[in-house]
Amino acid sequence: QVQLQQWGAGLLKPSETLSLTCAVYGGSFSGYHWSWIRQSPGKGLEWIGESDHSGRTNYNPSLKSRVTISVDTSKNQFSLKLSSVTAADTAVYYCAQGQLWLWYWGQGARVTVSS
Amino acid sequence: DIQMTQSPSSVSASVGDTVTITCRASQGISSWLAWYQQKPGKAPKLLIYAALTLQSGVPSRFSGSGSGTDFTLTISSLQPEDFATYYCQQANSFPLTFGGGTKVEIK
Repeated sequence: QVQLQQWGAGLLKPSETLSLTCAVYGGSFSGYHWSWIRQSPGKGLEWIGESDHSGRTNYNPSLKSRVTISVDTSKNQFSLKLSSVTAADTAVYYCAQGQLWLWYWGQGARVTVSS
Repeated sequence: DIQMTQSPSSVSASVGDTVTITCRASQGISSWLAWYQQKPGKAPKLLIYAALTLQSGVPSRFSGSGSGTDFTLTISSLQPEDFATYYCQQANSFPLTFGGGTKVEIK
């Protein structure tokens, strides 16, 4: 059973960069795709983007200019960076295994952007 | 982007009832649809993918149907652990998009 454990800074100021990491346990890393999704009361569930194990990515066009998803196969980890955050980026962020179907999810990380 | 519209937004039901949730896509998505269950404070959990395929370990009282633009999630004989919020998600094209959710509450 794959388990995903995520972590990162929970409180940011406007214009800072959000940084989250997700570690994968109990399964293969290579050969799979890895995704980030966020959830806020105002916008519901929003897909951020995904990467395969080699670093090929797809991003949501609404966030593409600010998002970077990267993978570290040596550590079975993948990461999300979102630059120039504003209050609108306040949400619970989830990592997940999968490209089209989101098979397994991390526990979620609450990120608040406030001055 | 493909818009996903769920109805109803909430439903009250009793243990043993059958609940039906619908999801409509703004354009045809063939069978590229998933359903997720989310409980308070937890991550969503994949229930059904490819419109009707049950994820491993998901009870058979959950079933999915539909193709094109109209889809249904049916929960037969509702159990106490089924009270949660359910989301549909299209996988036909990027960006992946989700419905607004249906909260299944205890009557």
